[in-house]
Amino acid sequence: GAVVSQHPSWVICKSGTSVKIECRSLDFQATTMFWYRQFPKQSLMLMATSNEGSKATYEQGVEKDKFLINHASLTLSTLTVTSAHPEDSSFYICSAREPLAGETDTQYFGPGTRLTVL
Amino acid sequence: GQNIDQPTEMTATEGAIVQINCTYQTSGFNGLFWYQQHAGEAPTFLSYNVLDGLEEKGRFSSFLSRSKGYSYLLLKELQMKDSASYLCAVKDSNYQLIWGAGTKLIIKP
Repeated sequence: GAVVSQHPSWVICKSGTSVKIECRSLDFQATTMFWYRQFPKQSLMLMATSNEGSKATYEQGVEKDKFLINHASLTLSTLTVTSAHPEDSSFYICSAREPLAGETDTQYFGPGTRLTVL
Repeated sequence: GQNIDQPTEMTATEGAIVQINCTYQTSGFNGLFWYQQHAGEAPTFLSYNVLDGLEEKGRFSSFLSRSKGYSYLLLKELQMKDSASYLCAVKDSNYQLIWGAGTKLIIKP
């Protein structure tokens, strides 16, 4: 199956700093990547859809100036949490959609990044 | 509004069979996915259904009835490693994935 990597796997930062998370599709080109956030014991919450070469589409309630998304290539999307605060502590997961001929596109997930803001 | 319903938690015994149900009400339908998510890890793809019927893949099978807005994931010969959350997700008319809250499956020896 398709492989998606995410880096870092965990990060601890001070309040007010910015954190960048990278999401890479390793063996396929992903024109579309997705960023999710998941709080403990809750389901995935889609934050934004990242399209290669264009601006990301943010879900309602997600601040685009706080969560900066860049999808500069077909294999890399980055999420930057700017001026992080303790309430931003969460599990951030990216996924990439692999369009396959004859099949529908399935999302494959990266391993996730656990962010803790002190 | 769009809605995906799954039981919050289920318990089953090692070696047994368990069925996890998912009902959905979405604006359009372009396929239904099941994902497995172990605690602290990202979801992994299990199955995809777009036509009515049963899709079998080893110990796991997934069923879909579009007229009833209903799917189930069937797990046979349960193993302890199957303890996880199982997420149902439906692709709507805009090809957006709508996620259920997940079913936490607890396997007891």
